[in-house]
Amino acid sequence: AQKITQTQPGMFVQEKEAVTLDCTYDTSDPSYGLFWYKQPSSGEMIFLIYQGSYDQQNATEGRYSLNFQKARKSANLVISASQLGDSAMYFCAMREGRRNNDMRFGAGTRLTVKP
Amino acid sequence: SAVISQKPSRDICQRGTSLTIQCQVDSQVTMMFWYRQQPGQSLTLIATANQGSEATYESGFVIDKFPISRPNLTFSTLTVSNMSPEDSSIYLCSVERTGGGTQYFGPGTRLLVL
Repeated sequence: AQKITQTQPGMFVQEKEAVTLDCTYDTSDPSYGLFWYKQPSSGEMIFLIYQGSYDQQNATEGRYSLNFQKARKSANLVISASQLGDSAMYFCAMREGRRNNDMRFGAGTRLTVKP
Repeated sequence: SAVISQKPSRDICQRGTSLTIQCQVDSQVTMMFWYRQQPGQSLTLIATANQGSEATYESGFVIDKFPISRPNLTFSTLTVSNMSPEDSSIYLCSVERTGGGTQYFGPGTRLLVL
């Protein structure tokens, strides 16, 4: 069963505006972690932000913030003040349990920032 | 985070041959993983590289096709054996300093099999 769902295959945003990339997940494990990665055309996977299931506050890292709505099982990534260099694929991922090796990735969203 | 390098960065290979990909980390890490990303697809975990013992493979991946070594806490190799065009993918290694933490990825190896 699909555990991570990213419903937006592609998104466009104007430079300097904010954009939200959607991610929903499915798990019955009370302990889990949620991750967002950026993949530019070069192919590398760049870690952006992490949210633990027990974290009380939404995670933030510079221009990245994670809108964590536990009851709705959503973990949307918000990028503020978009830059041209933000154009890339963005993947949401989840790991269940504290020592489970299996990190499951969503299908990804391709973000294009327009000048 | 950790500084992770992969070699080669890309290669074009003939079907039926094998390619070994190296992953080197600048410091000791607890966990090392190998992923495959087929064209236009998301990442799929191939296996966990265990130091000093056989790798743990995910469903659909076997040791004969993807032999993995991890001789120490900073180095691992993945071999793609008897390649076919369907093996054309990006292969990425990732590392964790402690189990259950954030995974950091290497730059990837782009493989094209003709």
